[in-house]
Amino acid sequence: EAGVTQFPSHSVIEKGQTVTLRCDPISGHDNLYWYRRVMGKEIKFLLHFVKESKQDESGMPNNRFLAERTGGTYSTLKVQPAELEDSGVYFCASSQVARLAGAYNEQFFGPGTRLTVL
Amino acid sequence: GNSVTQMEGPVTLSEEAFLTINCTYTATGYPSLFWYVQYPGEGLQLLLKATKADDKGSNKGFEATYRKETTSFHLEKGSVQVSDSAVYFCALTPFLGALNFGKGTSLLVTP
Repeated sequence: EAGVTQFPSHSVIEKGQTVTLRCDPISGHDNLYWYRRVMGKEIKFLLHFVKESKQDESGMPNNRFLAERTGGTYSTLKVQPAELEDSGVYFCASSQVARLAGAYNEQFFGPGTRLTVL
Repeated sequence: GNSVTQMEGPVTLSEEAFLTINCTYTATGYPSLFWYVQYPGEGLQLLLKATKADDKGSNKGFEATYRKETTSFHLEKGSVQVSDSAVYFCALTPFLGALNFGKGTSLLVTP
């Protein structure tokens, strides 16, 4: 079974440009999460989709970031316009919806997209 | 708010040495606690977890015990191998959703 995939693996852009990151979750996983790790800091939660709906977007840093998950399959994260502080590694993770209250379904992570804004 | 603090790395050990990576947390309620590992060139993988106080998570020779009284979840392994070289992340989730991570600890095991 294929794991979570992310594209591209690396992206180098100039300040002010637009970049779109893509995440393909594991087939059948309704939960999809985006996280970001800025150099030397914690991995920070950005947002959570359940199918095509945004369940929690409290971690999105500002309105330059737009996430979509049309059709409840793959997701895109667009940064427009990119700023220097957006550089980091963007991780995507997916999990099944828990069938039992209180149960934890493991989040499976992709390899990440390393974004460098110059 | 919720946060995780883990020891700064990098940690360098000789093969077969004992490993401890400290992790403490701040959270409301009763979070679930995790250790994730990222091997070079790969995504994060769940190493072990504990969902309530005094639970011990274990996997691949690694162990961590959920200590509510000290708000800690230290990772230990009795004898590390070169293949354990990776970055280790302590994490929590207060409501079985999004994860709060520590900064990560890089471990290098030398032959």
